[in-house]
Amino acid sequence: QAVVTQEPSLTVSPGGTVTLTCGSSTGTVTSGHYPYWFQQKPGQAPRTLIYDTTNRHSWTPARFSGSLLGGKAALTLSGAQPEDEADYYCLLSYTTTRIFGGGTKLSVL
Amino acid sequence: EVQLVESGGGLVQPGGSLRLSCAASGFTFSSYWMHWVRQAPGQGLVWVSRIDSDGTSTRYADSVKGRFTVSRDNAKNTLYLEMIALRADDTAVYYCTSSGAAGYWGQGTLVTVSS
Repeated sequence: QAVVTQEPSLTVSPGGTVTLTCGSSTGTVTSGHYPYWFQQKPGQAPRTLIYDTTNRHSWTPARFSGSLLGGKAALTLSGAQPEDEADYYCLLSYTTTRIFGGGTKLSVL
Repeated sequence: EVQLVESGGGLVQPGGSLRLSCAASGFTFSSYWMHWVRQAPGQGLVWVSRIDSDGTSTRYADSVKGRFTVSRDNAKNTLYLEMIALRADDTAVYYCTSSGAAGYWGQGTLVTVSS
């Protein structure tokens, strides 16, 4: 079974830019993995930010963007706000299964 | 207002069974694939299962294959997860979530497997 990898933790300054990545043990992540990105704050249910690599939902702030970068899926936060401090998870689709990454704890300090 | 409301969780003994439900409202439930995702206390998200929009195709994580069954009733706008032979490591909050352009999540229902 594939393993999906994310940075365990990252820190960004308020107003700064940070990129979270999502890699696959099977090789290059492509649009065919239909990458999703989710945000989860303590005590809350997750919230979908990005689907199918680049698509935002109506509730997703424009400062979040999804892409493919260096063989991985990427979530870029431009102009970080204190309320963006949260856990972020990616999800990749494989032929018969879907696998979450272990999550990235993002601190805004 | 869009809502996904899970129910059916609770305390069950190892080897027991439970049926979770997820009632959807405020969007066209029958148009979207649906998923179950779980999260053990203090741990990350784990994908459990998915079902396509008309219920004809299902997929499961290896850890639940043969024990869990996902189904849906589009007339009732409800998603189900039948769980049997439950184990301690099935203890988690179970979320239902809609796929693609829907992207909605319920608040979850806690399943505790313990004697």
